[in-house]
Amino acid sequence: AQSVAQPEDQVNVAEGNPLTVKCTYSVSGNPYLFWYVQYPNRGLQFLLKYITGDNLVKGSYGFEAEFNKSQTSFHLKKPSALVSDSALYFCAVRDRWSGNTPLVFGKGTRLSVIA
Amino acid sequence: DAGVIQSPRHEVTEMGQEVTLRCKPISGHNSLFWYRQTMMRGLELLIYFNNNVPIDDSGMPEDRFSAKMPNASFSTLKIQPSEPRDSAVYFCASSQGLAGGASYNEQFFGPGTRLTVL
Repeated sequence: AQSVAQPEDQVNVAEGNPLTVKCTYSVSGNPYLFWYVQYPNRGLQFLLKYITGDNLVKGSYGFEAEFNKSQTSFHLKKPSALVSDSALYFCAVRDRWSGNTPLVFGKGTRLSVIA
Repeated sequence: DAGVIQSPRHEVTEMGQEVTLRCKPISGHNSLFWYRQTMMRGLELLIYFNNNVPIDDSGMPEDRFSAKMPNASFSTLKIQPSEPRDSAVYFCASSQGLAGGASYNEQFFGPGTRLTVL
């Protein structure tokens, strides 16, 4: 079975400060990991993914995420938050050899960047 | 590319009526997913197709829900009869892959259909 947890429902950060949105996962094998962002009244948009190789993955809008196998984590980070980053963020996982199983999404974390 | 297209964007109907939501996936994608999003339950996977064949419909809440994919460029999600608790935003997504083996391809989401059942 595969699952993903986003332990924080809400994250508040001041504009210009670094931000972190947490994600931990559970798979029986090796994971593919994804981050999506959802702005109000919009569909989910792909931000970045980890497949293999370098543990630090860079994505859209200055976001990056670090894969940590020992801690089974894939936290999303940005060095300097913008008010426009305020949105709902979803982490997702898929076991590399899970056949026809689709992505499993977390419950989402609402990020609020305060000016 | 136009991305995943969903119609209608908004639907308001009365309890007991039939509702049909439509989706056109990205050309060349062979997997299609239907999700429902509510404040209470978050994002739920309802059903997904691979090469037009339903693979897993265990997320479909009741027999009132049905989905079809008659060809690679079109899918429908139907609710009959609709109930107020079906009010939600319904998303369609598509991706390449999932045909056995491992797939690291991301899913692309449509803009969603906001359904309100009175």
